[in-house]
Amino acid sequence: DTGVSQDPRHKITKRGQNVTFRCDPISEHNRLYWYRQTLGQGPEFLTYFQNEAQLEKSRLLSDRFSAERPKGSFSTLEIQRTEQGDSAMYLCASSRRTSDNEQFFGPGTRLTVL
Amino acid sequence: AQSVTQLGSHVSVSEGALVLLRCNYSSSVPPYLFWYVQYPNQGLQLLLKYTSAATLVKGINGFEAEFKKSETSFHLTKPSAHMSDAAEYFCAVSSGNTGKLIFGQGTTLQVKP
Repeated sequence: DTGVSQDPRHKITKRGQNVTFRCDPISEHNRLYWYRQTLGQGPEFLTYFQNEAQLEKSRLLSDRFSAERPKGSFSTLEIQRTEQGDSAMYLCASSRRTSDNEQFFGPGTRLTVL
Repeated sequence: AQSVTQLGSHVSVSEGALVLLRCNYSSSVPPYLFWYVQYPNQGLQLLLKYTSAATLVKGINGFEAEFKKSETSFHLTKPSAHMSDAAEYFCAVSSGNTGKLIFGQGTTLQVKP
């Protein structure tokens, strides 16, 4: 069990650029979540995948954001035309489909938009 | 809709003193509740979870939490604080069929020597 990994760990970009983050969940986990955490706040849910199907998206996820999970393995989160307000830590978590749905978190990708 | 409120954004204790971090939840169904810890620039690590079994839940690093339905609370405690406990702590409730987590605002625990 190697844990959830995320790449890159840090990303600095200029306003208006596109960025893409990758998450590799624990291998047997079929559920995958993306959260966003701004400074001094708790994480906020962005989107959820069960296998390759994106089953829920938060209203926080504007149309500049898109997420995919091809083949139900790794996932990518893309932000187009980044804005300074997108600066945050983006966290990925995965879980098995169990009754308590314990989620395991990756180390996060910290995005800074200049 | 489920929600979580953590009372006290900052808690400061002396090393060896009792740690008490407060969490109240709102849920229309029996909840699954979690406490996570986050160290600077890291992801979240699960401390403990309540899944409708025993109301007193023991977790890692000497932490425990008690589920009190009548008070809609799930406070986190540790009898004796260590310097290494200094971190950000988040209470969360699992919501809906997707199991997404709804987090509180977090409590920063400072441990003074």
